[in-house]
Amino acid sequence: KAGVTQTPRYLIKTRGQQVTLSCSPISGHRSVSWYQQTPGQGLQFLFEYFSETQRNKGNFPGRFSGRQFSNSRSEMNVSTLELGDSALYLCASSSGQAKTDTQYFGPGTRLTVL
Amino acid sequence: GESVGLHLPTLSVQEGDNSIINCAYSNSASDYFIWYKQESGKGPQFIIDIRSNMDKRQGQRVTVLLNKTVKHLSLQIAATQPGDSAVYFCADLRRGYSTLTFGKGTMLLVSP
Repeated sequence: KAGVTQTPRYLIKTRGQQVTLSCSPISGHRSVSWYQQTPGQGLQFLFEYFSETQRNKGNFPGRFSGRQFSNSRSEMNVSTLELGDSALYLCASSSGQAKTDTQYFGPGTRLTVL
Repeated sequence: GESVGLHLPTLSVQEGDNSIINCAYSNSASDYFIWYKQESGKGPQFIIDIRSNMDKRQGQRVTVLLNKTVKHLSLQIAATQPGDSAVYFCADLRRGYSTLTFGKGTMLLVSP
């Protein structure tokens, strides 16, 4: 099976712009979770989508949003970018049937905000 | 606040040595724990997991030990190889929650 893929791999934006990141889960997986990874805060949970519905949400401002399509592919959007949004954004997929299902991560999208 | 944390930010070992990476958790309601490995430029990769009703679980060259009395988790890597060089994260799933909480990570450096 192909793994989790994320596009683009690298992105440079300026403050105030918006950005959309894409994640394609492993075939058959219905859950997609998004994480922000920074050197200072580590891996922080953003949100999880399952069957096109947001199932869980982390403690991030409303500028961070996401959605999931019927084929389980997911996008996350960050509006009005701030310097502090520079990070590696990771998505992870799982079957979503049980809380303990293994999450498989993609390679991430490296976002730099100038 | 309650968190999953790691004792050492960097661990340096020689090839062939056994490595032990430690993790402390503060929430007694945590009932599932996972170790992930993240190599440079890649996303985290699942290594091994353990439920709170177990004390020990073994995989290929890796063993996870759980001490619920002192809320401590460790990952032991036998015969460490240069390819084991990476950042290792522990994560926990707290009872009643459905999302993982990750620790900050420990960098393992293996020299030949």
